[in-house]
Amino acid sequence: ILNVEQSPQSLHVQEGDSTNFTCSFPSSNFYALHWYRWETAKSPEALFVMTLNGDEKKKGRISATLNTKEGYSYLYIKGSQPEDSATYLCASPGGKLIFGQGTELSVKP
Amino acid sequence: GAGVSQSPSNKVTEKGKDVELRCDPISGHTALYWYRQRLGQGLEFLIYFQGNSAPDKSGLPSDRFSAERTGESVSTLTIQRTQQEDSAVYLCASSSDRGFTEKLFFGSGTQLSVL
Repeated sequence: ILNVEQSPQSLHVQEGDSTNFTCSFPSSNFYALHWYRWETAKSPEALFVMTLNGDEKKKGRISATLNTKEGYSYLYIKGSQPEDSATYLCASPGGKLIFGQGTELSVKP
Repeated sequence: GAGVSQSPSNKVTEKGKDVELRCDPISGHTALYWYRQRLGQGLEFLIYFQGNSAPDKSGLPSDRFSAERTGESVSTLTIQRTQQEDSAVYLCASSSDRGFTEKLFFGSGTQLSVL
C-alpha cells in the first residue's frame, strides 16, 4: 500500500498571509503527483499534475514544486484570500491513485 | 455529458437494505474510480476500472461491496445489507489516462446515510 502523507492537517491564516503545505510520498516507481482543491459542498477539482523532478507549476497565486528523488511536493499560496479556504489534497499512484488525508486551510478576513 | 454525473445525490436507507449508486463518467474516459469519505476522514480508495482490464478491487472494505462497469461507460457501486458505518459521501471520478498523468474529474457525490 502506498502511503501519501500530508502536513499540516489543518492551518488557520489571516487574509494576505502566504502559506505552504507538504505532501510526501514513496519516491520509488514514481509516476505522477496530483494536487486537488476540495471546497465544502463541492467536488474536488484538480490544481496540478506533476511528473518531472524539479517541476514547478503555477496557477494564479498557487504554485507547487516537486522533488521525486526525496519524495515530497510543496504547495504554496501567496497572499491567501478567504476564497482559498478549502481542503487541499495530494495524490500519487501506486497501481491506483491514492490520496493523502489533506490539509484543511481556513483563511480569515 | 459535460462532466461526471452521479445519482442519487442523496440516499437515506435503513440498516440491512441494499443500495445502488450510479456514476456516468465523461465520454471517452477510460479510467474510473470510486472513493468514499466518511465523516472526519480523508478520501478512501474503493475500486479502479481501467478500460477492459480487470478492476482493482483492493479498496473494497468487505464482500458486501461490489462494483461493475460496462465497457468504458456507466459504473454502479452496490452495497448489500448496509451498515451504519457505510454512511459516507461516495465520489466517482474519471480520467482519460492510463498512466495516472492526467487529472481526475470528480462527480458531485452521493451522500449515503444508513439509519
